[in-house]
Amino acid sequence: DVKVTQSSRYLVKRTGEKVFLECVQDMDHENMFWYRQDPGLGLRLIYFSYDVKMKEKGDIPEGYSVSREKKERFSLILESASTNQTSMYLCASSPPYLATQYFGPGTRLTVL
Amino acid sequence: SQQGEEDPQALSIQEGENATMNCSYKTSINNLQWYRQNSGRGLVHLILIRSNEREKHSGRLRVTLDTSKKSSSLLITASRAADTASYFCATDSGDDMRFGAGTRLTVKP
Repeated sequence: DVKVTQSSRYLVKRTGEKVFLECVQDMDHENMFWYRQDPGLGLRLIYFSYDVKMKEKGDIPEGYSVSREKKERFSLILESASTNQTSMYLCASSPPYLATQYFGPGTRLTVL
Repeated sequence: SQQGEEDPQALSIQEGENATMNCSYKTSINNLQWYRQNSGRGLVHLILIRSNEREKHSGRLRVTLDTSKKSSSLLITASRAADTASYFCATDSGDDMRFGAGTRLTVKP
């Protein structure tokens, strides 16, 4: 079974802090994705990556950056956390040319 | 931005009843997928239907796709309390994948 893990289930940070969310997958998938999920808005794509050291902006990249130094790891970085970044963050991975995405359990981030 | 829109937003039924959820979308797609999310957890892939397919079954799940109406439905038969979750449709256009806002299903024992 594909396993996608995220570093924290719950995280509380203060406004202005730098926040790192880590995602690791164990199936050698090329594609990795970061979404945020807010009530009534569904999942919105922040960034995705099709290969190591490669990144592409999604629909809402502002205020976020990513890093993919190794194939299995995709990190989401909030350079200076703000209260409007309080949300559920979901990481996903998929093999190339396969539509199905495999999701991690999510990180619920609260920014105070 | 969202592509798929699920309807209804929330659905409450008794155990043993069937649950039907609908998804409408706007642009051409390669395939449409349904995912399930238990409260506070990640999404789990349920079923994928390609644009040239009209109906697909998997256990108690039945998915239909009508590309002329740009709509899909997910039917869960003989529902169980454990089916309580949110259900999302996701449309794959080939360029990207878009998720709807979901239908919250509650199955009462």
